Amino acid sequence: DTEVTQTPKHLVMGMTNKKSLKCEQHMGHRAMYWYKQKAKKPPELMFVYSYEKLSINESVPSRFSPECPNSSLLNLHLHALQPEDSALYLCASSPDPDGGYGYTFGSGTRLTVV
Amino acid sequence: QQPVQSPQAVILREGEDAVINCSSSKALYSVHWYRQKHGEAPVFLMILLKGGEQKGHEKISASFNEKKQQSSLYLTASQLSYSGTYFCGTENSGAGSYQLTFGKGTKLSVIP
Repeated sequence: DTEVTQTPKHLVMGMTNKKSLKCEQHMGHRAMYWYKQKAKKPPELMFVYSYEKLSINESVPSRFSPECPNSSLLNLHLHALQPEDSALYLCASSPDPDGGYGYTFGSGTRLTVV
Repeated sequence: QQPVQSPQAVILREGEDAVINCSSSKALYSVHWYRQKHGEAPVFLMILLKGGEQKGHEKISASFNEKKQQSSLYLTASQLSYSGTYFCGTENSGAGSYQLTFGKGTKLSVIP
């Protein structure tokens, strides 16, 4: 298995809702990432998990809460989001948190906050 | 720190060549190149580690000049399938692990 699987593919949520995004990989990769991408912009790093521990949080608002239950799974819990949080949320993984390897990206969750 | 990519956009006819440049003001551990088609995820093309190496992938190759902190992506004999947005990503050590920061992208359109 050489894929990163993200669910759901599309999500519409109200500003008072709580929802979660899920990301799964079975490549044995020890680093996992959440990126946010707005239209016609590059992906922006949100969080880095290294060996299942949060190692980088790029000053992301607390309404985004990441979780790594095991080495294959990464969740992003969403609560009280704003319309400007609407974007494509990409999960990625790489073999080694110490760098030097390409990232495998999932197909993303397109989030719309209404 | 975000790397700087140029050009922002390029239009090619099938069979023509293109070069996309990426530079950073910060010392780099590696440079990545990705292609993203509309509505899809970025796809990894290649990585260049510091050491000035050059890599190839079919008709796409890249170089990395460590002294100048610059990388270039070379697309030769372009095909329609090469259309998309190309991102370079620079990898630096963050707090506890490495992080990949993307440039703004170069939109490549190949026309018949």
